Amino acid sequence: ETGVTQTPRHLVMGMTNKKSLKCEQHLGHNAMYWYKQSAKKPLELMFVYNFKEQTENNSVPSRFSPECPNSSHLFLHLHTLQPEDSALYLCASSPDMGQLIYGYTFGSGTRLTVV
Amino acid sequence: KQEVTQIPAALSVPEGENLVLNCSFTDSAIYNLQWFRQDPGKGLTSLLLIQSSQREQTSGRLNASLDKSSGRSTLYIAASQPGDSATYLCAVTTSGGSQGNLIFGKGTKLSVKP
Repeated sequence: ETGVTQTPRHLVMGMTNKKSLKCEQHLGHNAMYWYKQSAKKPLELMFVYNFKEQTENNSVPSRFSPECPNSSHLFLHLHTLQPEDSALYLCASSPDMGQLIYGYTFGSGTRLTVV
Repeated sequence: KQEVTQIPAALSVPEGENLVLNCSFTDSAIYNLQWFRQDPGKGLTSLLLIQSSQREQTSGRLNASLDKSSGRSTLYIAASQPGDSATYLCAVTTSGGSQGNLIFGKGTKLSVKP
């Protein structure tokens, strides 16, 4: 484990379902991120939270709804997804957006399949 | 706009060979560079982090170098093993942009044959 824990590891959902992905870190970091990795495509940044405040939404469709109740937890709420949303969703953390000399720590990801 | 390129896209070598993976970036104004490893369907494992003021970092059989002025980094893997088979990603941390602070290359898929 890297210190960033994602659950569930695998998720299969129908297009009308509502589900949530969870990310938790106990590294004392204050910045958390959601990335999407589709097959044969580079990682795409989705959302950035710094000290619980959303600082970036990278033109993500509203069927993806992030929530950051505190600096240790990050959720991604999913509803009415499309099959093309099937991908590996990765959570990452870093000390904070102002300390860019430190690296990022990634979780193991949630493999999402939309049927 | 910062762009990160990794060459080659795929590499297959016999076990025991020493190998070099290449990463280049277009804007030298970076805070650091990270090399990650990703196994199929899994998350990213950080291998080495090189600060912009550093020239290289070593961890076991891995050595990463950084030439910030020329926009290049290499990851050297000594005495490769089948367990090294994975995709290796290079990423630079910058001070912002449409993709946030961490800009990734597309990766090099390494296969080490027994």
